[in-house]
Amino acid sequence: AQKITQTQPGMFVQEKEAVTLDCTYDTSDQSYGLFWYKQPSSGEMIFLIYQGSYDEQNATEGRYSLNFQKARKSANLVISASQLGDSAMYFCAMREVISGGYNKLIFGAGTRLAVHP
Amino acid sequence: NAGVTQTPKFRILKIGQSMTLQCAQDMNHNYMYWYRQDPGMGLKLIYYSVGAGITDKGEVPNGYNVSRSTTEDFPLRLELAAPSQTSVYFCASSYSTGGTYNEQFFGPGTRLTVL
Repeated sequence: AQKITQTQPGMFVQEKEAVTLDCTYDTSDQSYGLFWYKQPSSGEMIFLIYQGSYDEQNATEGRYSLNFQKARKSANLVISASQLGDSAMYFCAMREVISGGYNKLIFGAGTRLAVHP
Repeated sequence: NAGVTQTPKFRILKIGQSMTLQCAQDMNHNYMYWYRQDPGMGLKLIYYSVGAGITDKGEVPNGYNVSRSTTEDFPLRLELAAPSQTSVYFCASSYSTGGTYNEQFFGPGTRLTVL
């Protein structure tokens, strides 16, 4: 069965510094996708970035980048120049193919990031 | 374009009561999903639907029912509420799988407490 592991329950970072949130995954599929979502204290889920298993380059979206190491089965999120508004819960998720070729997301337990001024 | 909307935002139920959590999307997405998020945890899939009239169970379907009569709406029904169903419920939707990319758009969530 597919599995997502986020080993950091909480992280602290100083404002304007970079931070890396870890995510490892386990799958036997050749084709898969990895997502990062942000959940601020208000509760909504905000999509940040996506990496496909066949993408040769690491995904980037503004201050977010995904450090994808396929051999290690890791997909770490890097946030550059942290801002106070980055304080939130961050979830790594993997697309799993289910019956009929349809798919769903498997979520990790999350990492709570606190950005200090 | 409202995206994915959910009602109510908060609800307190007594044990044994029933209720329906509403979810609607205006993006013409085929896929819709219901997740629950327990405190300090990630999301777990309750039910999903790949189109009107088609639903299937996810990881934690016990105690819930769904229906999908239209593309836009995907209500979640709790028949006999139990304290174990205290959670935050998220509805999500996405386009059909045509390739590897399938971003899910989430609603704002419904916080349910069963006492």
